[in-house]
Amino acid sequence: GAGVSQSPSNKVTEKGKDVELRCDPISGHTALYWYRQSLGQGLEFLIYFQGNSAPDKSGLPSDRFSAERTGGSVSTLTIQRTQQEDSAVYLCASSLGTSGAKQFFGPGTRLTVL
Amino acid sequence: GENVEQHPSTLSVQEGDSAVIKCTYSDSASNYFPWYKQELGKRPQLIIDIRSNVGEKKDQRIAVTLNKTAKHFSLHITETQPEDSAVYFCAAIGWYGGSQGNLIFGKGTKLSVKP
Repeated sequence: GAGVSQSPSNKVTEKGKDVELRCDPISGHTALYWYRQSLGQGLEFLIYFQGNSAPDKSGLPSDRFSAERTGGSVSTLTIQRTQQEDSAVYLCASSLGTSGAKQFFGPGTRLTVL
Repeated sequence: GENVEQHPSTLSVQEGDSAVIKCTYSDSASNYFPWYKQELGKRPQLIIDIRSNVGEKKDQRIAVTLNKTAKHFSLHITETQPEDSAVYFCAAIGWYGGSQGNLIFGKGTKLSVKP
């Protein structure tokens, strides 16, 4: 079956612009996660959604970052007034649930802020 | 919250040798520990995971061991091959609002296998 998909694969934007990144999780997966990976670095947790529960936003680095998940499926990560330090690969993952369910990653969106 | 430390940051071995990567975690309530392999420019791929009710798990040339008392777990790759060259990440599961959720990752180990 289809894995996690993300779009766009690459995004170049100018400092100060807003961007939207999209994630389509594996069908039937109730949990969805966003992580950020800066060049040569590890994966930094941003936010996760589980079913209809309130999302865990504890990893969002500033109030310029927000995310929503419509209909329990597709998610959009929005970064407002982008800064150069926002340049990174943004990875989405999904799992059947939480509590130790296996997480599968999408290919990521490479964001470059000029 | 949970914190995961990973060592070494780089590891170079000869083809056919074994490689060991070690991680420690801080939250004794964590009970799920996956390992991901990430090749250059690719997404992280889950290669093996272990839950706290077992001490060791093997899958062909890959094994993971867990010491709950010491709060550390390790990845063992035997008979390494050039295609094992990649960055490996360990992770532990974090908690939010009384339930488990996101993964907390180590900073990664760049493994190079020389032919």
